[in-house]
Amino acid sequence: DADVTQTPRNRITKTGKRIMLECSQTKGHDRMYWYRQDPGLGLQLIYYSFDVKDINKGEISDGYSVSRQAQAKFSLSLESAIPNQTALYFCATSARGNYNEQFFGPGTRLTVL
Amino acid sequence: GENVEQHPSTLSVQEGDSAVIKCTYSDSASNYFPWYKQELGKGPQLIIDIRSNVGEKKDQRIAVTLNKTAKHFSLHITETQPEDSAVYFCAASIGGYSTLTFGKGTMLLVSP
Repeated sequence: DADVTQTPRNRITKTGKRIMLECSQTKGHDRMYWYRQDPGLGLQLIYYSFDVKDINKGEISDGYSVSRQAQAKFSLSLESAIPNQTALYFCATSARGNYNEQFFGPGTRLTVL
Repeated sequence: GENVEQHPSTLSVQEGDSAVIKCTYSDSASNYFPWYKQELGKGPQLIIDIRSNVGEKKDQRIAVTLNKTAKHFSLHITETQPEDSAVYFCAASIGGYSTLTFGKGTMLLVSP
């Protein structure tokens, strides 16, 4: 969905490096999410934010941090990357409301050597 | 918290056949059940969803059914086509202030 963009699309880094993945959206949604996808494990929630001043840990937040710079921007950081953080990372957004209809970005493929 | 189980993990059908993917959820308070399709190299895309006040919803060749008593919901694809080949995810959430819990996905392969 072009309304949700992620940069970079691919990244190769080395163990111990700090990296940042960025997400921007033009959907005007309040809520943003970061997921990690590993083969056979589905989508696991890392962090989520229901508005600019709200940050919440998901089920696998260890080793990650986030920043909600504006309603439209939500960044994910790996403070010291390790090889088992090699995965696909997706950003998603949803509107405020009773039902959690989420829209996903195209993903970032991260490889930690 | 919520737990979503999805079966099968892989499904192979011939073009024109029907495909059914099933999910069960654990929390009876869940009220929203979306299905996502993920094509190779792309992010998941919402294809259909159902809310707890509805038992069935249909959109052309795809349909979703919900059985709240048994806590399971299913995706039905009729007259499958090769372009239906993808990974499908089910999910569930409890109200507007919760997050989505995803199943582990089903890889559907439709052979011509």
